[in-house]
Amino acid sequence: KQEVTQIPAALSVPEGENLVLNCSFTDSAIYNLQWFRQDPGKGLTSLLLIQSSQREQTSGRLNASLDKSSGRSTLYIAASQPGDSATYLCAVSDGNQFYFGTGTSLTVIP
Amino acid sequence: GAGVSQSPRYKVAKRGQDVALRCDPISGHVSLFWYQQALGQGPEFLTYFQNEAQLDKSGLPSDRFFAERPEGSVSTLKIQRTQQEDSAVYLCASSGRQAQFSPLHFGNGTRLTVT
Repeated sequence: KQEVTQIPAALSVPEGENLVLNCSFTDSAIYNLQWFRQDPGKGLTSLLLIQSSQREQTSGRLNASLDKSSGRSTLYIAASQPGDSATYLCAVSDGNQFYFGTGTSLTVIP
Repeated sequence: GAGVSQSPRYKVAKRGQDVALRCDPISGHVSLFWYQQALGQGPEFLTYFQNEAQLDKSGLPSDRFFAERPEGSVSTLKIQRTQQEDSAVYLCASSGRQAQFSPLHFGNGTRLTVT
């Protein structure tokens, strides 16, 4: 079974800092990887989707990379803002289901 | 519709009661997923539909859990004889094509509390 790990579990940074969230997975036979954010009491919002043939995707201040062979992905957030405070989850797909990590709880301090 | 809609938003059930949770996916979305999320954890897969066909139900924790999507749009997750360990947030997600090609769109979930 695919195991997804996210490090760190929690992160607190001052506003304006650039930061990196890490995601690792055990089985490299994936179709795609998605990064989500989850606000308290809410569902998940898709941030970026990287297909298995791609190396990275960018959206605004977010950049996600994928190294399938080593089973790793990173989410880079530039110039962090207090509104970025949320839990960030990565998920990998085997074509049928998505396997989620337990998330990184991010707090951006004004 | 604007997004994935789930109802009810909150459900309190006494142990042993049956519950039904509803999911309205984004109109036209082919794939539909149910996930269970415990506090502080990532979502855990329950089941997956492509149109009306249930292609994977390997994540359903027991035979008390049943899901259907009879017309390929709205889906219902039913839990019979609820137990305290069933308390969790149940999330529904849909995607426009087969799951491996398009992003998942999640609803806000149903928080189930079994007392």
